[in-house]
Amino acid sequence: GESVGLHLPTLSVQEGDNSIINCAYSNSASDYFIWYKQESGKGPQFIIDIRSNMDKRQGQRVTVLLNKTVKHLSLQIAATQPGDSAVYFCAENVGADGLTFGKGTHLIIQP
Amino acid sequence: GAVVSQHPSWVICKSGTSVKIECRSLDFQATTMFWYRQFPKQSLMLMATSNEGSKATYEQGVEKDKFLINHASLTLSTLTVTSAHPEDSSFYICSAGRQAPTDTQYFGPGTRLTVL
Repeated sequence: GESVGLHLPTLSVQEGDNSIINCAYSNSASDYFIWYKQESGKGPQFIIDIRSNMDKRQGQRVTVLLNKTVKHLSLQIAATQPGDSAVYFCAENVGADGLTFGKGTHLIIQP
Repeated sequence: GAVVSQHPSWVICKSGTSVKIECRSLDFQATTMFWYRQFPKQSLMLMATSNEGSKATYEQGVEKDKFLINHASLTLSTLTVTSAHPEDSSFYICSAGRQAPTDTQYFGPGTRLTVL
């Protein structure tokens, strides 16, 4: 298992640039995927979701891409802002089961 | 819509005592609620699935007698950490499933438990 104090992968981008956060999932039976944003000391906040019958979905400033062949999910954030600084988790879901979360990526927006 | 609250937001207790955490869906009914725990700088780990009116389903490795879950109504689930020990100190987060229009899970703000 993971040790306490494990550092999350970090992605540092300049304010205004686009950022891409990647996630690999393991369960080929997963049919629903979600990206969450978590700020320090708070619960996860829903950003965008996608079902397995789609390969792309767009929201406001965010796009999620799903590649089922290689079991890969990505979150693109356009024109990043200081408020985008947070830890981002992908999560996968099978049916009505609870979510399985990825390890998370710490996004840092440089001024 | 789709607001989930938790109470308390933080709690400090002595080793050996029990602590109850409440999770409420404020503007929708949730037949299913989930409990997660999160250690510092780690991902959320599912502990159990709480179904209204029935026994909770626990993930492998989670002691059901230590983490008591009650889901008495469609808007309330409680997690009681019994005989808490320092290793139980963690961030506990609940989520509620809203099946219409999607089955997205909405998360509460979390409860920080510190056991001395």
